[in-house]
Amino acid sequence: GNSVTQMEGPVTLSEEAFLTINCTYTATGYPSLFWYVQYPGEGLQLLLKATKADDKGSNKGFEATYRKETTSFHLEKGSVQVSDSAVYFCALSPNSGYALNFGKGTSLLVTP
Amino acid sequence: SQTIHQWPATLVQPVGSPLSLECTVEGTSNPNLYWYRQAAGRGLQLLFYSVGIGQISSEVPQNLSASRPQDRQFILSSKKLLLSDSGFYLCAWSSPLSLAFGQGTRLTVV
Repeated sequence: GNSVTQMEGPVTLSEEAFLTINCTYTATGYPSLFWYVQYPGEGLQLLLKATKADDKGSNKGFEATYRKETTSFHLEKGSVQVSDSAVYFCALSPNSGYALNFGKGTSLLVTP
Repeated sequence: SQTIHQWPATLVQPVGSPLSLECTVEGTSNPNLYWYRQAAGRGLQLLFYSVGIGQISSEVPQNLSASRPQDRQFILSSKKLLLSDSGFYLCAWSSPLSLAFGQGTRLTVV
């Protein structure tokens, strides 16, 4: 079946540090891959997505590259800010319009 | 533009009481709708999804049920809440980009 595994948190970084949150997936066919962000007390928001191998999704300084050979979609940001503190979810969709499979989420805390 | 509304934002209910959470979508027709639960320390768990009025698929057996009485309305219910039903409940619909989520309902069963 389809599944997503992401690194467990919490991750604590100082402001302006480099961020990597690992995500690997298992899926049949060619899924689309997503990163969602959940700020405290809120619902999930789409951060970025990639729909085919070697695509790079990017938004708000975050990037992730769809690596089919390693079945990975690691999230990176060169310089984190306090406002980036949130929970990040990696997800995949085997078919457009159907429910996503989510990872368990990685909590990020950025300190000044 | 499409929007999704979910209410209430927070809810504290005693064990054994009923539950009704409502979700509505505006600006689209015949959306696929979803209920997820996020329990403390755990990821998102898909509870129900619906591809049309009266069509409900359950992903996990539990104390909850869902209904879709109208095209853009999705309701999550329980006849008798359990302590284990506490969590953060999220409604979502399939947008052209991916899933779009409501703001969530924090349910605490006491």
